[in-house]
Amino acid sequence: SQQGEEDPQALSIQEGENATMNCSYKTSINNLQWYRQNSGRGLVHLILIRSNEREKHSGRLRVTLDTSKKSSSLLITASRAADTASYFCASTSGGSYIPTFGRGTSLIVHP
Amino acid sequence: DVKVTQSSRYLVKRTGEKVFLECVQDMDHENMFWYRQDPGLGLRLIYFSYDVKMKEKGDIPEGYSVSREKKERFSLILESASTNQTSMYLCASTDRGSSEQYFGPGTRLTVT
Repeated sequence: SQQGEEDPQALSIQEGENATMNCSYKTSINNLQWYRQNSGRGLVHLILIRSNEREKHSGRLRVTLDTSKKSSSLLITASRAADTASYFCASTSGGSYIPTFGRGTSLIVHP
Repeated sequence: DVKVTQSSRYLVKRTGEKVFLECVQDMDHENMFWYRQDPGLGLRLIYFSYDVKMKEKGDIPEGYSVSREKKERFSLILESASTNQTSMYLCASTDRGSSEQYFGPGTRLTVT
């Protein structure tokens, strides 16, 4: 079963705009990760946020975690056409180190 | 630069054929994984391995088997390929105790 569910399923924006994707999960987590997948390729790890963290930054990426709402968001600022990809959240819980992936958000950034 | 490689990017096989998908990682990772990815279903875990010669079933192991004879190599085997196994197959690895996964480029398998 899916632990994380991304929202929206698809997002289309213009270059320079910010893109926000959300992820909701069902059970308490140890950490939550975000991955990017370019069309027809493997996933690339972007950022990991632990359950005791509320916000994390990496370059143009900002991830927040709200454990009370069981949700996380990924913000990409000043988007570029090269950011066009699918974005997945993945969470681990309990004693497992194996993340459970959501179905992804497809982001299209128009030049 | 760390790397996970998969033997083929595209593969076309006939129904009933035995299919081998190979994955090699050069990071000395203990854990290796096989997923399949289908539109609307996300990534689903087929099998994983936490050590040489060790394997564990994931969420959808039916119709698949795996082999891990060496630490760096994890093979996915389709004993008798069927059309419903047409999919993108992704291999990944992680270091001991880590959940950060390193993925290969994927193999798009078509079974006709």
